[in-house]
Amino acid sequence: GAVVSQHPSRVICKSGTSVKIECRSLDFQATTMFWYRQFPKKSLMLMATSNEGSKATYEQGVEKDKFLINHASLTLSTLTVTSAHPEDSSFYICSAIKGNTEAFFGQGTRLTVV
Amino acid sequence: DAKTTQPNSMESNEEEPVHLPCNHSTISGTDYIHWYRQLPSQGPEYVIHGLTSNVNNRMASLAIAEDRKSSTLILHRATLRDAAVYYCILRPYSGGGADGLTFGKGTHLIIQP
Repeated sequence: GAVVSQHPSRVICKSGTSVKIECRSLDFQATTMFWYRQFPKKSLMLMATSNEGSKATYEQGVEKDKFLINHASLTLSTLTVTSAHPEDSSFYICSAIKGNTEAFFGQGTRLTVV
Repeated sequence: DAKTTQPNSMESNEEEPVHLPCNHSTISGTDYIHWYRQLPSQGPEYVIHGLTSNVNNRMASLAIAEDRKSSTLILHRATLRDAAVYYCILRPYSGGGADGLTFGKGTHLIIQP
């Protein structure tokens, strides 16, 4: 099946620094990718929709200046957490949908801000 | 978005069948029923989806009620590797690839050896 690869799988950063997470669709082109956040023992929450060649659309309550999304090609979307703080520590997951039916998810990135 | 209701947790024994229920009484005619599961510390993975008829694949079966207000995911012979959170999600066909998925709380499936 199709594969979505996410990198890094785990990152620890200092408060105030920025962290970039990459999401790649390995065997299909994705004009749209999605970014989710998941806190411990909670469900996934959609943060934003990443659109190739245009601006991302953010869900209500998600700060677009805090979570920068770039979708420069049909196989790569990046999420940059800017000026990270401990409350940004979470599990971040990207997704792409192939063929209008099945969604494929990355392995997730565990971000810890110290 | 149409809402789904699932039990918070279920427990089963290894090598026995598991029936995971989902209620979606406000489902619309164009909503597909999707199931995903999430193993610990991993991203979700697709399990199965259907519209009206029952569906089978190598992972599971999906039984859909005649009025489509409920469905059941069936794992025919559970293994320890099936321990995960299972999410029942409705997706409108018209939404296609343009909309993200709305995850509820899901069912935490525990498999006893």
